[in-house]
Order: sequence, then structure tokens, then C-alpha cells
Amino acid sequence: EPEVTQTPSHQVTQMGQEVILRCVPISNHLYFYWYRQILGQKVEFLVSFYNNEISEKSEIFDDQFSVERPDGSNFTLKIRSTKLEDSAMYFCASKIRGLQETQYFGPGTRLLVL
Amino acid sequence: AQKVTQAQTEISVVEKEDVTLDCVYETRDTTYYLFWYKQPPSGELVFLIRRNSFDEQNEISGRYSWNFQKSTSSFNFTITASQVVDSAVYFCALSEGVWGTDKLIFGTGTRLQVFP
Repeated sequence: EPEVTQTPSHQVTQMGQEVILRCVPISNHLYFYWYRQILGQKVEFLVSFYNNEISEKSEIFDDQFSVERPDGSNFTLKIRSTKLEDSAMYFCASKIRGLQETQYFGPGTRLLVL
Repeated sequence: AQKVTQAQTEISVVEKEDVTLDCVYETRDTTYYLFWYKQPPSGELVFLIRRNSFDEQNEISGRYSWNFQKSTSSFNFTITASQVVDSAVYFCALSEGVWGTDKLIFGTGTRLQVFP
């Protein structure tokens, strides 16, 4: 069964460093998302992406964040200058089309900023 | 405003007990979708069910069942004859249709612990 994959599974970085989190959505999916989950808290929406542009972003998704679909398969989240509070689990999700479909999540990348 | 409330922070049961996880939502849309996801200790989010606002039929899948009631804005999840493998955090989520976008709005989750 096709699934969303994410790399790396864990990343430790120093405050102020740039990180890139990678996702490979399910191959025939058209809509892509990033969410984050600070330890012990709920899952929060960051950004949605469709047709090579951002559809919606939350107030968390400030200028330090960017997303890109550099080729036909990868979907990346870049954090330019990490802060301690960026430490979280980051989930990528994708869905095939329209409002009524289900978002399928990858296994997550646990980011720790020291 | 859209909101999902899972008032039960943590529930502990003994194996074979039935357990119901509550979910109450708020939305201004008439078209919306409700979801349950399971997050086992390994951390991934596993999709369990999707319901649209026009379909109030209850659903059963094995030991899992869902009760959707628009009159009380609730979408509750029952596990029958719970097993240790059901131990996880369960999230209810909402996405809106016409006025909103399709981002998922999650509740705070209910941690279910099933003891042998």
C-alpha cells in the first residue's frame, strides 16, 4: 500500500541553523501539507500546497519557513534559522484531490533544536 | 470559529472493557468533514475514519464504532472489548467545506491506556 515517507526520522540542530525536512507524498496525490506537534500537544496545521503554490498558511508559518516541491516527487519544509521553540514533530501529509478526501500522514520527523 | 474539543485527557481501562472517546466540534459551515486518527507510541498518525456532514449514519468497523450526531455536534468513538494494542493517543479532527479550507483542525487528543 502506498504511503507518505519522511526523512530524516530524527534531526538535532543548533539554534540558528537551517534545516530541511523532506517528504515524499503518495505518488498520485495532488495536495500536500505540513503539520507540527510540539511534544505532548495537539497537531497544528502549518501550510497547504497545491499546484506548485501555497494554498493556505497558519500564523505559525512565518518568514522563517518555506516549502518547495523541487521535483515531481519531493516536498520539503525549510526552516531558515531555527529557534528552540521549533523543536517538535513535523508531519507531512498528502491527499489525492478535493475537500472530501482524506489526508494521509507520514511517520514524522522529530526535530530537536539545541 | 472552528474548534474541536476532546474533553477527556486520559482514559485508563482494563482489557476487554468498552471505552468511548468523546469529540465535540464547532463550525459555521454546513459542509464539513470529521476524522479520527490514532497516534500509537511510535508517533505516526494513522487514519481511522472520515465522515461528511451529510452522512449521519453510524459506522462499525470490527471493534470500532463511531456515533455522529449533528444535533449535539458530536462524533464519538467507541472501542469494544479493548485490547492492549489499542493504547494510543486518539485525535478527532475537522476540516471545513464551503467557507473554510481543507486544513485539519485537531482536538487535543485523548490518551487511552489499556491494561492487561
